[in-house]
Amino acid sequence: TQLLEQSPQFLSIQEGENLTVYCNSSSVFSSLQWYRQEPGEGPVLLVTVVTGGEVKKLKRLTFQFGDARKDSSLHITAAQPGDTGLYLCVNNRGAGNKLTFGGGTRVLVKP
Amino acid sequence: GAGVSQSPSNKVTEKGKDVELRCDPISGHTALYWYRQSLGQGLEFLIYFQGNSAPDKSGLPSDRFSAERTGGSVSTLTIQRTQQEDSAVYLCASSTPTPRADTQYFGPGTRLTVL
Repeated sequence: TQLLEQSPQFLSIQEGENLTVYCNSSSVFSSLQWYRQEPGEGPVLLVTVVTGGEVKKLKRLTFQFGDARKDSSLHITAAQPGDTGLYLCVNNRGAGNKLTFGGGTRVLVKP
Repeated sequence: GAGVSQSPSNKVTEKGKDVELRCDPISGHTALYWYRQSLGQGLEFLIYFQGNSAPDKSGLPSDRFSAERTGGSVSTLTIQRTQQEDSAVYLCASSTPTPRADTQYFGPGTRLTVL
C-alpha cells in the first residue's frame, strides 16, 4: 500500500495570509491529485500533477510535484474564507482506478 | 447536468438493524465507487464497479457489507446488522468509461449514525 502522509493536520489562519500544505510518501507515484472537500459535500478534484518538478496554478492555488515524484505541496496565496475546507492528497493510480487518500489537512480561513 | 446523487442524506439507525444506501451516478458513467469517511480512518475505498465486470470488493471491511449495481446505473450499499463502528459518511463517486479516467465525481454522501 502506498501511504500518503499530509501535514499539518489542521491549519487556522486569518484572511489574507498564505499557507502551505504538504503531502509526502516513501513511494514514487506516476501522478498525484489534490481534492478539496467542503462541509456536507463530497471531494472535488482541484488538480492532477504528473511530471516530476511540475508546477500548476489554479488562481491563488499553486501545486507542485516533487522532482522525485514522492511528494507534493499546495500553496495558497492571500487565503480567503472560501478556501476553508479539507484538502486531500490522493493517489489516483491504484488498481482499478480506486483512489487512495492521505489523511487530509483541514484549513480554516477566518475573516 | 446532474451530478452524483445519494440518498438518504442522513440515516440514524439502531445497532443490529440493516441499512440500505443509494447512489445515482452521473448518466453515462460506467465506473462507480463507494468510499467511507470516518474520523479515525479518513477516506477509504470500499468497492468498485466497472461496466459488466465483476466488482472489486477488496475494500469491504466485513461480510456484513455488500453492494449491487442494477442495470449498470444505480447502486445500493447494504450494511447488515449495523455496529457502532459503522458510523461514518458513505460517499459514492462515478467516472467516465475511459480505462484511466482521471476524475472521479463524488456525491454529497450519506451520514450514517448507529446508536
